Amino acid sequence: EAQVTQNPRYLITVTGKKLTVTCSQNMNHEYMSWYRQDPGLGLRQIYYSMNVEVTDKGDVPEGYKVSRKEKRNFPLILESPSPNQTSLYFCASRPTLGQGNTGELFFGEGSRLTVL
Amino acid sequence: AQSVTQLGSHVSVSEGALVLLRCNYSSSVPPYLFWYVQYPNQGLQLLLKYTSAATLVKGINGFEAEFKKSETSFHLTKPSAHMSDAAEYFCAVSDFGNEKLTFGTGTRLTIIP
Repeated sequence: EAQVTQNPRYLITVTGKKLTVTCSQNMNHEYMSWYRQDPGLGLRQIYYSMNVEVTDKGDVPEGYKVSRKEKRNFPLILESPSPNQTSLYFCASRPTLGQGNTGELFFGEGSRLTVL
Repeated sequence: AQSVTQLGSHVSVSEGALVLLRCNYSSSVPPYLFWYVQYPNQGLQLLLKYTSAATLVKGINGFEAEFKKSETSFHLTKPSAHMSDAAEYFCAVSDFGNEKLTFGTGTRLTIIP
């Protein structure tokens, strides 16, 4: 089954304790992205990756890191989490634009993070 | 920069009534437009998309949307609401060649029995 898989789905942590949210897709997509969802703000892009070893900042990158060492994986790293990073996080992927692809994103189930 | 505005963060309709969720975009060139739905504790699922092939787009679960360039709108409709339609709905926009999908702030749809 084609899917984007995120782990963990739920996490409660404390300020300053490094954590990683993993994301893996099995559709051989070049493009991957992380969003955070907050009430009243919709989805905001954190980072995206056009392909392996190519990453760039989205709209709200502060406090986050990413890496793209393999095509299928795109982990989100919070080096020193703070309470304002409490949010619902989504990983998404899609093929490269063109060749009939129109930018539709395929989403994971989400990871709900609480930072105390 | 691209932007999309969803009017009404909460919409309530009676079961069987018309559903109308509003979306306006700011792109100066014909964009790609999407509606996604998010059911409780789930990820986002594509409802439908506009890619310039036809202005009236039909999606899953009986939803449809009409692209109106003169009004820069892409409103989502369903003739008769069902209890299972209760969810949050997001409108999103991208330009051709733009790598980013920009989302609206979402509209939570409640169905009244």
